[in-house]
Amino acid sequence: AQSVAQPEDQVNVAEGNPLTVKCTYSVSGNPYLFWYVQYPNRGLQFLLKYITGDNLVKGSYGFEAEFNKSQTSFHLKKPSALVSDSALYFCAVRDSTGRRALTFGSGTRLQVQP
Amino acid sequence: DAEITQSPRHKITETGRQVTLACHQTWNHNNMFWYRQDLGHGLRLIHYSYGVQDTNKGEVSDGYSVSRSNTEDLPLTLESAASSQTSVYFCASSASGAYNEQFFGPGTRLTVL
Repeated sequence: AQSVAQPEDQVNVAEGNPLTVKCTYSVSGNPYLFWYVQYPNRGLQFLLKYITGDNLVKGSYGFEAEFNKSQTSFHLKKPSALVSDSALYFCAVRDSTGRRALTFGSGTRLQVQP
Repeated sequence: DAEITQSPRHKITETGRQVTLACHQTWNHNNMFWYRQDLGHGLRLIHYSYGVQDTNKGEVSDGYSVSRSNTEDLPLTLESAASSQTSVYFCASSASGAYNEQFFGPGTRLTVL
């Protein structure tokens, strides 16, 4: 069975500072990893994904994520946070050989203070 | 522009009633999914489909059913609504292929009284 852990329910950061939202995963095969963002009363929006290749993946709105196979982690990062980045962030994983549905973490609320 | 829509956006129903939530996508995607979102649980998979006439159960499928008669639609039916099914429901779709991202609808907030 595959699983995702997002250990922080909420992350607070000041505008202009770097941010990190943590994610660790467990799959039996090679992982396909995704980050999504959810704004209030909206559906989830795709940010970025790791399939294979370079461990640093760049995505939408200046976000990037680093895949670390030995630590089974896929942390989301941004060099300089904006107030408008405040939202709920979800990490998701699927096994490269299994079903195409995703397993999601419980979500991390990012609060960026002006 | 292609999109994925859900209806209704809000629904209040009573325990024991049958409820159907609609999902329609114009991406021409083969894969479609239903999730529910509850506080502290993230999104949990209810049912999914890889194409017409194909349906599969997810982790929380009890009390729910789906049918896929065409590429565009995957309606979710609650056969006899229970208060435990009060939740926000999201439909998603993705193109065929192992690593394509899913596109999500705006969600349906269902309250079962």
